[in-house]
Amino acid sequence: QKEVEQDPGPLSVPEGAIVSLNCTYSNSAFQYFMWYRQYSRKGPELLMYTYSSGNKEDGRFTAQVDKSSKYISLFIRDSQPSDSATYLCAMSGWDSNYQLIWGAGTKLIIKP
Amino acid sequence: KAGVTQTPRYLIKTRGQQVTLSCSPISGHRSVSWYQQTPGQGLQFLFEYFSETQRNKGNFPGRFSGRQFSNSRSEMNVSTLELGDSALYLCASSLGQDQPQHFGDGTRLSIL
Repeated sequence: QKEVEQDPGPLSVPEGAIVSLNCTYSNSAFQYFMWYRQYSRKGPELLMYTYSSGNKEDGRFTAQVDKSSKYISLFIRDSQPSDSATYLCAMSGWDSNYQLIWGAGTKLIIKP
Repeated sequence: KAGVTQTPRYLIKTRGQQVTLSCSPISGHRSVSWYQQTPGQGLQFLFEYFSETQRNKGNFPGRFSGRQFSNSRSEMNVSTLELGDSALYLCASSLGQDQPQHFGDGTRLSIL
C-alpha cells in the first residue's frame, strides 16, 4: 500500500460545478500538506500549503486537512475550463526528514 | 521575483552518454530538490541540497548525482544513460525543510 493514495481519474465535471479532490495517507507523522496544480508540459504550481489540521481558503480554492481520518481535500468553487489540469497532493513530516511524499495526481477536466 | 529556472528545457541523448541539467533557485532559497517525473511512476525524489550539502537522497542508482554551488544554483548529472531515464526532471527550491517547494518547468530528457 502506498503512503499517499490519490485517485488518478480522470474526473470530468461541467463548468461552474464544485470540484472535490481527495488524498488519504497512512503516516500519522505528516504535518505539512500541500496541493499543486500541473498543466501539461509545465512544472507543478503550489496552490495551497497547510500545517496540521483545519481549513484554508484562497479565492475559489479551499483546502481541508482531517488528521484524525488521515484525509485531505481540495475544493474548487465555480470551476472554469482553465482549471483543467492534474492536481497533486504532497505531504511531509519529521520522520521522513521533511521529504515530500506525493500522491499520483488526479487529472481534472472541466467541460465548457 | 523570478521563479525557478531550469536549463535546458529539452534534451535528446543516446544510450551510454551522460548529461548535466542546471537549476537556478528563487533568490534567497537555499534548499534545492530534484525529482524525476514519468507517467508510470509519478514524481520520484532524487536528492535535496542545502548550503552545498546533500541533505536527503532518494532511491536512485549512483549514476544520478548532483551538487550545489555557493550561490545555491544546482546541477544534476546522469551518467551512462539508459532508455528508462527518459523523463521530465524537475527542480524545486524552498527556504527550508518545513517550507513549501516551488518548481521550475523542468527539463524533458529523451534517450534514443
